[in-house]
Amino acid sequence: DGGITQSPKYLFRKEGQNVTLSCEQNLNHDAMYWYRQDPGQGLRLIYYSQIVNDFQKGDIAEGYSVSREKKESFPLTVTSAQKNPTAFYLCASSMRGVGDYYFGPGTRLTVT
Amino acid sequence: GENVEQHPSTLSVQEGDSAVIKCTYSDSASNYFPWYKQELGKRPQLIIDIRSNVGEKKDQRIAVTLNKTAKHFSLHITETQPEDSAVYFCAASRTGGGADGLTFGKGTHLIIQP
Repeated sequence: DGGITQSPKYLFRKEGQNVTLSCEQNLNHDAMYWYRQDPGQGLRLIYYSQIVNDFQKGDIAEGYSVSREKKESFPLTVTSAQKNPTAFYLCASSMRGVGDYYFGPGTRLTVT
Repeated sequence: GENVEQHPSTLSVQEGDSAVIKCTYSDSASNYFPWYKQELGKRPQLIIDIRSNVGEKKDQRIAVTLNKTAKHFSLHITETQPEDSAVYFCAASRTGGGADGLTFGKGTHLIIQP
């Protein structure tokens, strides 16, 4: 399971609170990604970063924010502006342009 | 942007039979098509991928075919086994390795009946 980690595995928050999900990789990969998975919806791209200090919005970036201060780390903040934050969040990394995404184990976020 | 449609959403086959999952994509510039397998509660794992300069690729019991003209690609699993039961996702990307992100289909739940 080594290489890319996410913490925590389960996270519970009250509505109106911001929450930050951690993603760390030691694969020396340039690119990192955040996906959201909902039942029957597949995986949808939230944000991605191809290099340190740079990132781009994916298909569903509204209500989320990210940073990429280190190559190894790509934290995702779910803000109170996200209308339906309860979901399974998956982080992934890849050597840019080579393929083969490595996914982390995921964080299941529940907001009530 | 890219749109990927995947069918069927659920597929039940007898152990030992073959399974075929089909995907279509909308962006003719897409050139990288991976397939992922996700077991319950686990992370997706890459099982096979194909690039647009190739029409077919095989890896033991798994094969993927690509028809660029029709913009569709398919996953074929032969001699299915109980451990093949999982959700399978197809994906497409505009760049060779998905550097700009992958667009996923909604998944196919494959059930292998004993």
